[in-house]
Amino acid sequence: AQRVTQPEKLLSVFKGAPVELKCNYSYSGSPELFWYVQYSRQRLQLLLRHISRESIKGFTADLNKGETSFHLKKPFAQEEDSAMYYCALSGRTGGFKTIFGAGTRLFVKA
Amino acid sequence: GAGVSQSPSNKVTEKGKDVELRCDPISGHTALYWYRQSLGQGLEFLIYFQGNSAPDKSGLPSDRFSAERTGGSVSTLTIQRTQQEDSAVYLCASSPWGTSHNEQFFGPGTRLTVL
Repeated sequence: AQRVTQPEKLLSVFKGAPVELKCNYSYSGSPELFWYVQYSRQRLQLLLRHISRESIKGFTADLNKGETSFHLKKPFAQEEDSAMYYCALSGRTGGFKTIFGAGTRLFVKA
Repeated sequence: GAGVSQSPSNKVTEKGKDVELRCDPISGHTALYWYRQSLGQGLEFLIYFQGNSAPDKSGLPSDRFSAERTGGSVSTLTIQRTQQEDSAVYLCASSPWGTSHNEQFFGPGTRLTVL
């Protein structure tokens, strides 16, 4: 079964501290992995996707197929990073249906 | 141009009534998705359109839920005989081609409250 697990509902860190939002997945085949973010009073939007191997707003995520993980990391958290983060996967096995995790709320304290 | 729009933004209805939720995707986007976001839950996939056809309806929770898309553009999600457990935010998203690695662009959502 296709599944995305985000074990932390809430993550609270101090400004300047490193942050890691965990994401594990279950998928038969080669998935595409994404991180979406929803800032307060804004729409859900794409943060980054593994296929692009990019760093957005200082965030990176590496796909680890052995551990079936796609953790989101940033070395120095900023207050403006406070938001809801969703890990998601898609791929041919699911007919391109996108499965989202339950989300992690990140709170960066001053 | 404009992003994905949804209407109404809020809908309060009585149990047992039917409701229609509308989504206007970004012009030219062939793929359209409906999701449900319940309090404390993630995004639950409901249905996906490629053009006017729905290759995947597996997420519709019951036969009270249906969706259609006309002209490869506007989509309507209909919930018949609403129940209190249908209360949620219903999100619509569109993407250019519907392949797995395309970014989805989300609308602001419709908050449905069933009394």
